[in-house]
Amino acid sequence: EAGVTQFPSHSVIEKGQTVTLRCDPISGHDNLYWYRRVMGKEIKFLLHFVKESKQDESGMPNNRFLAERTGGTYSTLKVQPAELEDSGVYFCASSPFRDRSNYGYTFGSGTRLTVV
Amino acid sequence: QQQVKQSPQSLIVQKGGISIINCAYENTAFDYFPWYQQFPGKGPALLIAIRPDVSEKKEGRFTISFNKSAKQFSLHIMDSQPGDSATYFCAARGTSGSARQLTFGSGTQLTVLP
Repeated sequence: EAGVTQFPSHSVIEKGQTVTLRCDPISGHDNLYWYRRVMGKEIKFLLHFVKESKQDESGMPNNRFLAERTGGTYSTLKVQPAELEDSGVYFCASSPFRDRSNYGYTFGSGTRLTVV
Repeated sequence: QQQVKQSPQSLIVQKGGISIINCAYENTAFDYFPWYQQFPGKGPALLIAIRPDVSEKKEGRFTISFNKSAKQFSLHIMDSQPGDSATYFCAARGTSGSARQLTFGSGTQLTVLP
């Protein structure tokens, strides 16, 4: 079974530019999550999709971040315009629809974003 | 405000020793406490998890100890091996409101010396 795939694995952009991160969840997983780890701090929740609907976007830092999930499959996270404090590792995770145990909760390898 | 506090930030242990990582939480709505292990270039992977109705859970060399009254939980790695060298994150989750999503600690970089 393929895992959660994220790309690019690394991205270096200049302040003010736009970057789009992509996440392909495990096939059949209705839940898709975005998290971010900044500068060795804790991994923070950004938002949660159930299929194509945003279930919870309480962790999105500001309106420069836009997440979409086309047809309930892959998801994109766009940062526009990027600021220096957006640098960090962005993780995507997916899980089956009813996964109380968390054992189906699988993370991707992350995208390391550096804004210079 | 960090809801799950993790310590130490880094830990160096000799092969065969015991590694202990501690976490404390504030939100009493949390009812599920997983630990994640992350190797360089990989995403966090679930290692072991506990619910507050038990005080201890053991899986192989990994044990979670849970103290509900103190709102603390810890990971013990017995007979630590160089292959255990990784970053470990504690986390917590509840079933309602802001607790529904995983809240992570800041991570512990564990190095096991051969």
